[in-house]
Amino acid sequence: GAGVSQSPSNKVTEKGKDVELRCDPISGHTALYWYRQRLGQGLEFLIYFQGNSAPDKSGLPSDRFSAERTGESVSTLTIQRTQQEDSAVYLCASSFWGWDSPLHFGNGTRLTVT
Amino acid sequence: DAKTTQPPSMDCAEGRAANLPCNHSTISGNEYVYWYRQIHSQGPQYIIHGLKNNETNEMASLIITEDRKSSTLILPHATLRDTAVYYCIVRGSNDYKLSFGAGTTVTVRA
Repeated sequence: GAGVSQSPSNKVTEKGKDVELRCDPISGHTALYWYRQRLGQGLEFLIYFQGNSAPDKSGLPSDRFSAERTGESVSTLTIQRTQQEDSAVYLCASSFWGWDSPLHFGNGTRLTVT
Repeated sequence: DAKTTQPPSMDCAEGRAANLPCNHSTISGNEYVYWYRQIHSQGPQYIIHGLKNNETNEMASLIITEDRKSSTLILPHATLRDTAVYYCIVRGSNDYKLSFGAGTTVTVRA
């Protein structure tokens, strides 16, 4: 079946511009996660959505970052006034609810801020 | 405050079994052991997970010691395409998000 789909796969933007990254989770998955991975580094948790519960935004690095999710489907991660340190691969994952349900990741959006 | 310890790197020969160790000495009773891998320029790929019993799927086998303080991921017949960073992660009821450490960089050599 279809996996997690992210778009665009690559995005180059100028410093100071806003960007929107999109994630289409696996159908039926109620949980959705965003992570960031800088070059050569590990995965950093950004935000978590579960059903209609309030999202866990504890990993968002600054108020320039925000994310929304429409019901149990598409999510968008928005970065306002991008900075060069925002350059990274942004990964989305989805899962069924529960800690015994594995996360399934997309291949990410590679963001380059020039 | 890492919950798991893995060797930073290991090599294995193509066609042979690759045995990847992981220590998780502080694991608690309701925490699962998960394994993921990340091939260059791709998102992490789920491999397998288990609680107490050994598990096997089409990709790998997971062997968990009786005291649950360590586990081994076994790739039965390693291929060059298995070259990746492998992550062992402990996840419990309060850990809806996965916390990725540094993992083991596995290089399969012809």
